[in-house]
This record gives sequence, C-alpha cells and structure tokens, in this order.
Amino acid sequence: DTEVTQTPKHLVMGMTNKKSLKCEQHMGHRAMYWYKQKAKKPPELMFVYSYEKLSINESVPSRFSPECPNSSLLNLHLHALQPEDSALYLCASSSRQERGFYEQYFGPGTRLTVT
Amino acid sequence: TQLLEQSPQFLSIQEGENLTVYCNSSSVFSSLQWYRQEPGEGPVLLVTVVTGGEVKKLKRLTFQFGDARKDSSLHITAAQPGDTGLYLCAGSDSNYQLIWGAGTKLIIKP
Repeated sequence: DTEVTQTPKHLVMGMTNKKSLKCEQHMGHRAMYWYKQKAKKPPELMFVYSYEKLSINESVPSRFSPECPNSSLLNLHLHALQPEDSALYLCASSSRQERGFYEQYFGPGTRLTVT
Repeated sequence: TQLLEQSPQFLSIQEGENLTVYCNSSSVFSSLQWYRQEPGEGPVLLVTVVTGGEVKKLKRLTFQFGDARKDSSLHITAAQPGDTGLYLCAGSDSNYQLIWGAGTKLIIKP
C-alpha cells in the first residue's frame, strides 16, 4: 500500500478565514512533506518533517503553519492567506529504501482557492 | 545549486508515434524518479532508477539512467491518448529532498 490521503479535496476560503489541510499515511514513512504547486509547474517544497520534527522550512510565510501530531499525520494550518496562495497543495511521504535512496509518494492534493 | 533540465517542456504528437523526454544535470544523483501527473491530481511515481546505465521498462515506457548518473530519459513507444499528462523527473542527492525538472506536458492526439 503506497497511499497518502489528503482532505479536503477542494477548499475555498476568504482572506480572513482560518482553515486546515490534513494528510495521512500508514506506510510507516518517517519523512513527510508539504508542497505547493502552480499550474504546469513542478511542486515547490514548503516544509519537511523528519521523525515528527520540522527539519526544513523553505522560507514559507508565517500565514502557513505546519504541524505533525504523530508519525502518520501532517497538518497545514492556513490563516490570512492571499489570492496568490491559490494553488494545489500536495502532501508526500517517503522512506529510505534498502539501496539507500528515498522514494516520495504523493497524495491527491487539495485545490485551494483564496478569494 | 543542483539543477535538473527537462526537455521538451511541451510535446503534442499523434497516437502511435514514439517520443523521448530528457532530464539532464551537471550534478550526480544517487537516484532519479519519474512521475506522471494528471490535472488536479498528485504526481504518481512511475519508476526510480538508481544504478548508472540502468534501464527499466514499464509496458511501453522505457526509462534509462545515464552511466554517470547525471541524466535520464523516458522513451514511450506507440503513444496512446491515455499517456497524456505532465511527466516530471526528480533527482535525489542521497538525502530526502528532491530536485525537480520543469516537467513535460505531453498530449497524445487520437
């Protein structure tokens, strides 16, 4: 099973709203990621959690706040977003393979529209 | 800074034709992954290549990793409309971060 689930599938929010995106995996992966993707572009890394600790923050504005409650769950809390934050938000998880490389598996994404 | 140049960025061909997508870098990668993505969906992992010179086949798709592990190619034989999508290559330099190519938007016309 290589499934990563994300909820909601679609989200429309105003610039004053607070909302959260959720991600879950049961593959035992110890690294989890948030990416932002604009149309026809590759994913842009936002955050990486390794063993439930934030290991990478790619200079993401503070209106995005990640949280890793446990090894299977990853949240992204959203507050006071801007219209330019509208994008597909992807969650991924990875594990180290026997030959030493990592494979990332992605969820279906949350299509976020900020009005 | 590691870069991964992917080409072409856009390709529109007729059903039944063959095509090749390239990913090139001046850096060595410990592994390289190819993904396919449908609009509004997450990327789906197709294959990971690890060894220099490695060739992997997935039905009509053939993936190759360069001998020096700096480049990779994806060849599709007899393309079908179902092959339409965004193809992304991503290299790993032995940690858990990926370096992404810009993507190839592929359209197969019936």
